[in-house]
Formats: sequence, structure tokens, C-alpha cells
Amino acid sequence: GESVGLHLPTLSVQEGDNSIINCAYSNSASDYFIWYKQESGKGPQFIIDIRSNMDKRQGQRVTVLLNKTVKHLSLQIAATQPGDSAVYFCAENSGTGNQFYFGTGTSLTVIP
Amino acid sequence: DTEVTQTPKHLVMGMTNKKSLKCEQHMGHRAMYWYKQKAKKPPELMFVYSYEKLSINESVPSRFSPECPNSSLLNLHLHALQPEDSALYLCASSQPAWGSNQPQHFGDGTRLSIL
Repeated sequence: GESVGLHLPTLSVQEGDNSIINCAYSNSASDYFIWYKQESGKGPQFIIDIRSNMDKRQGQRVTVLLNKTVKHLSLQIAATQPGDSAVYFCAENSGTGNQFYFGTGTSLTVIP
Repeated sequence: DTEVTQTPKHLVMGMTNKKSLKCEQHMGHRAMYWYKQKAKKPPELMFVYSYEKLSINESVPSRFSPECPNSSLLNLHLHALQPEDSALYLCASSQPAWGSNQPQHFGDGTRLSIL
């Protein structure tokens, strides 16, 4: 599959602070991206998606930014809460089929 | 609760056993997927079914045999697995990507241990 993401980083933030999680992708043909949240013992849960014709998309407390020039994706979580503690994955789809490829993930820990 | 249901939640089997993992969704999705996830690693795509036909096999060993009996069900038949096949097996579904990609919805997985 395609290479998405870097080594698995960890991120610790204080409750109430904003979090930024980053992802790099290598396939310039990728035109659709998803951020997933995976809690322990659970499957990945859809958070937000973005298509390549956009550079920003906002949801409830979350914002995804896409920089196609440097092939970089970020997830911003506002006012981070303890329930946000999880592993976050970006996933990309090249648009040629149904296959999605996941980045290596970031483990987010929120300190109360 | 997820809208994709996987059974069993846990499975322990020997290397000579034959077992099956099951996945069910009732969202009307026509694409279904199997992923394998090792601890602290991202999910790795194994198979994709689109309209009940196998469309992608990511060079998965033949000891894993997928089956899609109808639009709501997806099975993964296991035979003669190796200890390194121990992992979390995730099922997902989505609308097929015909020019407008759609997000995948995941089940909570089957935790498989090979003795």
C-alpha cells in the first residue's frame, strides 16, 4: 500500500488546551482523506473527512487542514477533553477504488 | 454501539483449526472490507468487496479466504494460521467509491490469538 504518516508519535496535552495532530502522505494522487479515532478495545471511529478540492473543513470542536503542496494533513481538536484520549489515524484514498491506507497513528493523552 | 457487528469478539485457535469470522451491516452499504491490525500499528487492508464481488486482494496468504454471501454479510474463513496471524481483525463498510468517496464505518473487531 501507499505510505501514509510517519513513526508513531505520542502527544500529551492538558485538559482544555488545543491539540494538533499531524500526518504526512506520499501519494500525490490521493484526493480524499479521513481522520479516525480509535479507543482501546474499539474499532476506528470516523471523526471528519476532507476532499482534495478543499484546504480546510470544520466539525464540532475539530478542524482538518490539508496542504497538498507539502502533502500534509492535520487535525486540530479544540478544548481537549479526557474523552479525547485515544489513537488518531489519518487515512487516504487515491480515488481509483475503494482502498484506504492508514498512517501510523498518534497516541493522544489528555491530562486532567 | 457500532453499526457494523463482528462476531466473535475473541477467538483462540490452534494452527490446525478451521474457523470463521463474521461481519454484518444493515446500512445498505455495498462495499465491505477486511483489515488486520497488530498492536500499536495502523489497520492494514486485506480485502475489498464491491457489490458482493472481490475487487481487491492485497496479496493476502491463501490461509485467509473471504466470502461475501450477500450485501449485508462478510465472512473471513481461517485455516492453518500461523502465530504471526494473531491480531485484531476489523471489518468495515461504505458506499462504493464511484467518483465520490465515502467514509468507512468500522466494527469493533475480532481479537484473534493463534496458539
